[in-house]
Amino acid sequence: DVKVTQSSRYLVKRTGEKVFLECVQDMDHENMFWYRQDPGLGLRLIYFSYDVKMKEKGDIPEGYSVSREKKERFSLILESASTNQTSMYLCASRYLGASNQPQHFGDGTRLSIL
Amino acid sequence: AQSVTQLGSHVSVSEGALVLLRCNYSSSVPPYLFWYVQYPNQGLQLLLKYTTGATLVKGINGFEAEFKKSETSFHLTKPSAHMSDAAEYFCAVIDSGGGADGLTFGKGTHLIIQP
Repeated sequence: DVKVTQSSRYLVKRTGEKVFLECVQDMDHENMFWYRQDPGLGLRLIYFSYDVKMKEKGDIPEGYSVSREKKERFSLILESASTNQTSMYLCASRYLGASNQPQHFGDGTRLSIL
Repeated sequence: AQSVTQLGSHVSVSEGALVLLRCNYSSSVPPYLFWYVQYPNQGLQLLLKYTTGATLVKGINGFEAEFKKSETSFHLTKPSAHMSDAAEYFCAVIDSGGGADGLTFGKGTHLIIQP
């Protein structure tokens, strides 16, 4: 089974802090994603990556950056956290070689910015 | 570009009743379709998927979905609801041509089970 592990289930940070959310997958997937999930808005794609050191903006990249230095790890960075970034953050990975493959999700990080 | 519409942000059914969650999609090429379930404070778990072949697909926990090309639909059903089915359900689509930006998700339907 694919395992996607997010480093924290719950995180509390202060406004203006630099925040790192880490995600690791164990299936050698090329494709990795970061979403945020808010009530009534569903999943919104922040950034995705299709290879090491490659990254692409999703629908809501403002205020975020990402890093993919190793294939198995995809990090989301909040450069200067703000209260409107309080949310549930979900990481996912996917095998890119066949388009019929699903995305596999981690358990999420519930981030609160005070 | 593809899109997904889930009709009803909240659906309430009685325990033992039929569950029907609606999903309509738009796609310019043949799609691959997925249903995910999310239990409280957890990530999304794959319920079932349609890629090619039989249009009625069976998934985990007694759920199934039918791909109807003429109606551009992929509705999720379960004959008899159980209290443990209470969760958020997401329909998702990807063009068969694929794409590194992954699946397009609907906004989700919150399933409530009444005792």
